[in-house]
This record gives sequence, C-alpha cells and structure tokens, in this order.
Amino acid sequence: DQQVKQNSPSLSVQEGRISILNCDYTNSMFDYFLWYKKYPAEGPTFLISISSIKDKNEDGRFTVFLNKSAKHLSLHIVPSQPGDSAVYFCAASSLLGGGADGLTFGKGTHLIIQP
Amino acid sequence: DTGVSQDPRHKITKRGQNVTFRCDPISEHNRLYWYRQTLGQGPEFLTYFQNEAQLEKSRLLSDRFSAERPKGSFSTLEIQRTEQGDSAMYLCATGAGNEQFFGPGTRLTVL
Repeated sequence: DQQVKQNSPSLSVQEGRISILNCDYTNSMFDYFLWYKKYPAEGPTFLISISSIKDKNEDGRFTVFLNKSAKHLSLHIVPSQPGDSAVYFCAASSLLGGGADGLTFGKGTHLIIQP
Repeated sequence: DTGVSQDPRHKITKRGQNVTFRCDPISEHNRLYWYRQTLGQGPEFLTYFQNEAQLEKSRLLSDRFSAERPKGSFSTLEIQRTEQGDSAMYLCATGAGNEQFFGPGTRLTVL
C-alpha cells in the first residue's frame, strides 16, 4: 500500500514557466514532509520541507504548499530552469527528521524542462 | 568534501556471494539510515542507527542482511548469499536535525 503517492511519472514544462509537482499521502500520522531532487547516478538532494503546522514554505524559486485536510502537497518551481530537469521525490515522516522509521517516499516525478 | 560518502559506487557479484557496503556519514550526524531503491520506485527504508545502536529494522531487511555502526561512526551493510532480487541502489543517509542527507549510493548488480 503506497502511503505517499506521486501520480504523475513525468512532467514536461517550458523553461521560464512554473512547474507544479503534486503529492498525496494516506497516513494521517505524517506530520513532516520533504521534497528531494535526484539526478542520475547521484543520491537524492534535499530541496525543501514543511511541517504540518504550516501550509506554505518558500525558499527562493521553490515553494511547498500543504493542504492537510486533503492530504495533499505540491512543489512549485518558478521560474523553471534547465538545471531543474531531474526526478523529484516527495517524502513524509511522522517525526521531525524521520525518526526511527525513516522517511516514506513516493515513486517520483521526472521533470523535464524544455528550452 | 564533507558530505555523506559511500563505497563502492558500483558492485557486480554472482548470485550466492556475500557483499559489504560502507557508508561514511557527515561527522557530527548521530542518525544514520540505510535505504534501498529499485527501478521506478522511491527509496525504501531498511534500518536506522542512533549513534552505534541499531534501533529499527524494516521487514524488508531479511536475515541475509546485517548492518553495523561500530563506535557510532561509519556503517557497513552486508548481504549474505546474494539473490538477483537484491539488485538495487543502496543509499545511506544521515541527519542531525530535521532533514536527511543522502550519499551517492552503491549500485548492486547480482548476476
């Protein structure tokens, strides 16, 4: 049973436009959410996170929105740049930092930024 | 480079052989995790260390798998009697605050 779902395996966006990546979760015990970016042959790189007590967190071009009632979060990248082309993973935990159970990841969305 | 490092980056082995991977964490991080990632999936949690104590193991970690973290520093993950289904990327992550920082991974191919 997938507790964290990323329903779009891939997304193509034109350079300069907004990229919106979506993530849904089913476990109501999750209260901390993270986005990671992964290039081929590298480990995931932390991008941005949000605690369940907030509904928005912003860091430069990256903004994460959390809708707890819908169990849905999204990552907005604006403007999109060619270097943003990568696989993006949504992750969740029931404890800050992952605790003893680690992070639960979605399957990822491959973002392709077209020139 | 003060990030998480893993060795080797790639390992090809024959079915039935034993393999061992190493993870060197960011020095001040006391939490260490091992994950496994297969094609088309996100990383899946395997085990967790708080300093030298192994506090949690996933049901994915069969008895052929063993992990250690002596003295709370580097960690090793050993797989005995490898099977083709063990082929995957094995990722190590460490954390001391709210986030986890991943190493580059060890890609295991079992022939």
